[in-house]
Amino acid sequence: NAGVTQTPKFQVLKTGQSMTLQCAQDMNHEYMSWYRQDPGMGLRLIHYSVGAGITDQGEVPNGYNVSRSTTEDFPLRLLSAAPSQTSVYFCASSRILAGRGEQYFGPGTRLTVT
Amino acid sequence: GDSVTQMEGPVTLSEEAFLTINCTYTATGYPSLFWYVQYPGEGLQLLLKATKADDKGSNKGFEATYRKETTSFHLEKGSVQVSDSAVYFCALYNAGNMLTFGGGTRLMVKP
Repeated sequence: NAGVTQTPKFQVLKTGQSMTLQCAQDMNHEYMSWYRQDPGMGLRLIHYSVGAGITDQGEVPNGYNVSRSTTEDFPLRLLSAAPSQTSVYFCASSRILAGRGEQYFGPGTRLTVT
Repeated sequence: GDSVTQMEGPVTLSEEAFLTINCTYTATGYPSLFWYVQYPGEGLQLLLKATKADDKGSNKGFEATYRKETTSFHLEKGSVQVSDSAVYFCALYNAGNMLTFGGGTRLMVKP
């Protein structure tokens, strides 16, 4: 099992550019989520999904879009990058019934917006 | 809303020293509590968990006890190793769809 994979590992964008961060899991987990990690602030939830075709907003959704067309994939789109979106982004997944506290995290994507 | 507060780091210890990282929480109801660990350059990994009051979670020599009366879930280890150097996150899950994380505590262990 590869677990949760994320691409790319690093990305530099200019202000106003758009891009998609990829996330995939091979554990057949229903629940998937995106977090951003900023120094001293822990992780904050951006968007999440409880199954294919179902997505919802988390704590800090502005400037990001998601879709979930398959169980395995949950891409995060930055529509028009801003310096405030410089962060490390983590994708995570879990089973619904086992408890969503027990999440499996990907290795992260470090994004810099200049 | 729910919140988690951790001691600020970095915490610097010598090998074989005793470790405590404090974590307190604010939540309604009966949340589940977790400690996650993040090694350099990696994603978070679940270290241990406790789902009800007085439960003790343990893994790899680390322990934490769910204390509802003090709303705390402090992480302890009797003898740390250099390989324990990492960032530790306390988190709670309280229904809904969100894990709430503390700010993280960096641990540095010197040989």
